[in-house]
Amino acid sequence: GENVEQHPSTLSVQEGDSAVIKCTYSDSASNYFPWYKQELGKRPQLIIDIRSNVGEKKDQRIAVTLNKTAKHFSLHITETQPEDSAVYFCAAGGSYIPTFGRGTSLIVHP
Amino acid sequence: SAVISQKPSRDICQRGTSLTIQCQVDSQVTMMFWYRQQPGQSLTLIATANQGSEATYESGFVIDKFPISRPNLTFSTLTVSNMSPEDSSIYLCSVGQGDDEKLFFGSGTQLSVL
Repeated sequence: GENVEQHPSTLSVQEGDSAVIKCTYSDSASNYFPWYKQELGKRPQLIIDIRSNVGEKKDQRIAVTLNKTAKHFSLHITETQPEDSAVYFCAAGGSYIPTFGRGTSLIVHP
Repeated sequence: SAVISQKPSRDICQRGTSLTIQCQVDSQVTMMFWYRQQPGQSLTLIATANQGSEATYESGFVIDKFPISRPNLTFSTLTVSNMSPEDSSIYLCSVGQGDDEKLFFGSGTQLSVL
């Protein structure tokens, strides 16, 4: 089955800095790569996703890049704000049932 | 996206008892899933809840421990049976929606087993 590795486990940045979270996956058949944000005590929320026929996708301050050859994908957050503080999960797989990474705790210091 | 409600939102249970978690969606959905999130951990798929047939369980999860019902396209239940402290987790219902097949999560049930 699919195996997703996510790094770093914790990321601490100053407000206004950029943050990058990286994930690798093992199954070359995976074609869907969503990212979820989970604030403390809340449900995971889908923030952006990318499919294997696209190399990059952007939505305001967040972007995701995908390198299918190397089997890795990354989440980029620019101009970070304190409200970006949360745990971020990457996932990879077919639609509906992706395998999740272990999560990155992002802390944005004001 | 659909509104996905779970009940209860949290519960504290005694070892050896069972708890049934309900998941209600405000629209009909084909794909419905149950996940477990242990403290500080990632999201692990327990099973796919199939409407009108037995659930499909992932490796490491069995029907006797986690029986699931899916009587229609808007509702499902997950029972955590014969609970032990190791079952203390957040349990999340999720649904797959849209032509682009995105996964959305319910509000979650925080379970503590004493």
